[in-house]
Amino acid sequence: QKEVEQDPGPLSVPEGAIVSLNCTYSNSAFQYFMWYRQYSRKGPELLMYTYSSGNKEDGRFTAQVDKSSKYISLFIRDSQPSDSATYLCAMRMNSGYSTLTFGKGTMLLVSP
Amino acid sequence: EAQVTQNPRYLITVTGKKLTVTCSQNMNHEYMSWYRQDPGLGLRQIYYSMNVEVTDKGDVPEGYKVSRKEKRNFPLILESPSPNQTSLYFCASTSVATNEKLFFGSGTQLSVL
Repeated sequence: QKEVEQDPGPLSVPEGAIVSLNCTYSNSAFQYFMWYRQYSRKGPELLMYTYSSGNKEDGRFTAQVDKSSKYISLFIRDSQPSDSATYLCAMRMNSGYSTLTFGKGTMLLVSP
Repeated sequence: EAQVTQNPRYLITVTGKKLTVTCSQNMNHEYMSWYRQDPGLGLRQIYYSMNVEVTDKGDVPEGYKVSRKEKRNFPLILESPSPNQTSLYFCASTSVATNEKLFFGSGTQLSVL
């Protein structure tokens, strides 16, 4: 079983739709959770970061963490064509500094 | 502007011809890392460095070398490239104190013929 599982997509939605992107993980030692967005032919950039179970909101984006189920989600409200990108979940343990473990990424396509 | 700079952006080479991909950051970050990204396999870490003269293997280090002689630079060296090293490579850096945010370079697309 891979440490972090993420559906590769592509996920195609119309403009204005609510998008749900998800990752599951197997290692309960993961304590910090991130979502990175990667546009085509660009490096990933941090979108959201959280370390506690529950929801964290930033504009149209909401990150949700359920540590008991080992499940994290990213919700995008009122999706825009500019949201078309690959979204990678990432997580790390809480042992001083530790390396990030990435999901493989979900490609999102938002059509006008 | 805070950034991670990789060069070259695109590189085509032949099997066995040594090459170096450069990476430089201007944020005084202690931590630097190299990843390769392949379709269906995602981002995989090659090597990382916690500080000057401190490097360690990631998940896929075979066929690669790195050095960290200066804090800002972290070159990736392929001594004898092979076709299976054809990939998109990213350099990244972060502060050890707040290591949730990795800053990535724009990537180097390498093709080994």
